[in-house]
Amino acid sequence: AQSVTQLDSQVPVFEEAPVELRCNYSSSVSVYLFWYVQYPNQGLQLLLKYLSGSTLVKGINGFEAEFNKSQTSFHLRKPSVHISDTAEYFCAVISYSSASKIIFGSGTRLSIRP
Amino acid sequence: NAGVTQTPKFRVLKTGQSMTLLCAQDMNHEYMYWYRQDPGMGLRLIHYSVGEGTTAKGEVPDGYNVSRLKKQNFLLGLESAAPSQTSVYFCASSPLTSGGPGVGEQFFGPGTRLTVL
Repeated sequence: AQSVTQLDSQVPVFEEAPVELRCNYSSSVSVYLFWYVQYPNQGLQLLLKYLSGSTLVKGINGFEAEFNKSQTSFHLRKPSVHISDTAEYFCAVISYSSASKIIFGSGTRLSIRP
Repeated sequence: NAGVTQTPKFRVLKTGQSMTLLCAQDMNHEYMYWYRQDPGMGLRLIHYSVGEGTTAKGEVPDGYNVSRLKKQNFLLGLESAAPSQTSVYFCASSPLTSGGPGVGEQFFGPGTRLTVL
């Protein structure tokens, strides 16, 4: 069975500092990987996804993530955060063998300090 | 375009009551989903649909039923509500993709906050 672990429930950073949100997954087969963002009192919005090809994926709002198959990780990074990045971030995985069963991580709350 | 809309936004039920949540999308998407979001647990898939007239179980289907009589609508029903069903419910839709449901970008509604007393 597949699973997703987001290692940090909360990450506080100062404005304009870099940030990394960690995501590890487990699956016995190949996977598709996603990062979604949820702003306060809203639904989720896709940031980026890895389906195949280049392991470095660029998304919206200056975010990027790197797929590391050997470490089964898909960490999200941004070189310089803004107050507007304050939100909850969810990593998600779908295995090739069970494309309908998307599994979300428990989320990481990113808070930006001025 | 309104995108994905959900009705109602808030609801309070007593244990044993029934209700239906309505989701509508105007993007002509094939796939639709219902999730619940609980604190510290992320989103969990309840049921999904790969097209009009079809439904399938997700990760936590017990206590819920769904119907997709029209392509643009996906209804979630609770026949006999329980306190454990207190949650925020999100509907989403995504276009047809070769990888199957969930692989394409999902567009989410604003959510319905349900409290069962």
